[in-house]
Amino acid sequence: DIQMTQSPSSLSASVGDRVTITCRTSQSISSYLNWYQQKPGKAPKLLIYAASSLQSGVPSRFSGSGSGTDFTLTISSLQPEDFATYYCQQSYSSPPWTFGQGTKVEIK
Amino acid sequence: EVQLVASGGGLVKPGGSLRLSCVDSGFTFSTYTMNWVRQAPGKGLEWVSSISSRSNYIYYAASVKGRFTISRDNAKNSLYLQMKSLRVEDTAVYYCATMSEQLVRPPFDHWGQGTLVTVSS
Repeated sequence: DIQMTQSPSSLSASVGDRVTITCRTSQSISSYLNWYQQKPGKAPKLLIYAASSLQSGVPSRFSGSGSGTDFTLTISSLQPEDFATYYCQQSYSSPPWTFGQGTKVEIK
Repeated sequence: EVQLVASGGGLVKPGGSLRLSCVDSGFTFSTYTMNWVRQAPGKGLEWVSSISSRSNYIYYAASVKGRFTISRDNAKNSLYLQMKSLRVEDTAVYYCATMSEQLVRPPFDHWGQGTLVTVSS
């Protein structure tokens, strides 16, 4: 199985800050890396797919980059509604499709 | 537009059974690969099972293989998860989620609201 390692596990930031979350995979997955946002008590929401493609309706302050084993989710200017937990997920291999452990973004 | 509603969760004793359902009120259910993804309380996301649009490809996580059965009825826009021999560690919110078969190696692009399964004596 492909292992996913996200960092940091949590971070504190202020509105307007630039935030970067990284995801590393145990083997190369080309660009088949997706990012989700989850708020408490809600289902996850797809933000970025194929490493850098913005899902329809997602604000342009979210961006993704990377390929191979190292990936990044960036929020260019953190907004109040962005405080949530973010997960990376690989869709490269046949199942099991695996997720990172999550990064909780909290208000500073 | 895809609108998924999951149901069937509840409290069950270890060793018991439960059947989850997920209904899509949109009109594109039969074109998607469907999945179950779970989240234990306070924990991360874990993919559980997947079924292709025509039910010809079915996969399970090792943790549930042999105990859970995924199925679908395209005429009813419905996805199911039959869970048997339930364990305490199966306690989680279970989400249904779609994967587009139009994309190569697609993400989980639409999610239902989840249904809570609690396994406890």
